[in-house]
Amino acid sequence: DAGITQSPRHKVTETGTPVTLRCHQTENHRYMYWYRQDPGHGLRLIHYSYGVKDTDKGEVSDGYSVSRSKTEDFLLTLESATSSQTSVYFCAISQALYEQYFGPGTRLTVT
Amino acid sequence: GENVEQHPSTLSVQEGDSAVIKCTYSDSASNYFPWYKQELGKGPQLIIDIRSNVGEKKDQRIAVTLNKTAKHFSLHITETQPEDSAVYFCAAFTGANFGNEKLTFGTGTRLTIIP
Repeated sequence: DAGITQSPRHKVTETGTPVTLRCHQTENHRYMYWYRQDPGHGLRLIHYSYGVKDTDKGEVSDGYSVSRSKTEDFLLTLESATSSQTSVYFCAISQALYEQYFGPGTRLTVT
Repeated sequence: GENVEQHPSTLSVQEGDSAVIKCTYSDSASNYFPWYKQELGKGPQLIIDIRSNVGEKKDQRIAVTLNKTAKHFSLHITETQPEDSAVYFCAAFTGANFGNEKLTFGTGTRLTIIP
């Protein structure tokens, strides 16, 4: 998985609780992304980062925030989890915008 | 924004036969088209890609073709094997404006190879 790890790999949480997912890379790639994958929707971009402390919104960013304080780490936070955020979350990295490489994913269940 | 449609959603082929998956895109500014393979419980894996200045690209048993005029591109897998069974995603990259570069994905094709 191109030197990308995600933690945790599985999480069950209750509605209204905060959740943080972590993506860590060892490739020193500039760009990092968070996607969610849901049946019938493919992969949808939540947020992305084009450098340390530089982030921007994707198409489904409502209810999510991100932070990138180091090149290797990109955090995704659900401030107050809702059942609609039950999904599989993937982190991806790329060096030059085009080729994106994905991590193994985090399965999040909000009850 | 970009819209990518992918067909079929499921595809079953006999081992040894060929499989073709097709995608259409809407934004003529899209200039990069990757294909990903996703096995159960894993992240998508980039298997082949094509840029808008190329019409076809091959890598062993897989090939991708691009028709910019019609705005469609296809994945071709020949001599299919059981390990080709997976979900395949196409995507289109739009990089027309800084800050708006992103990949838009199709909804996936579940390919099953029948032994």
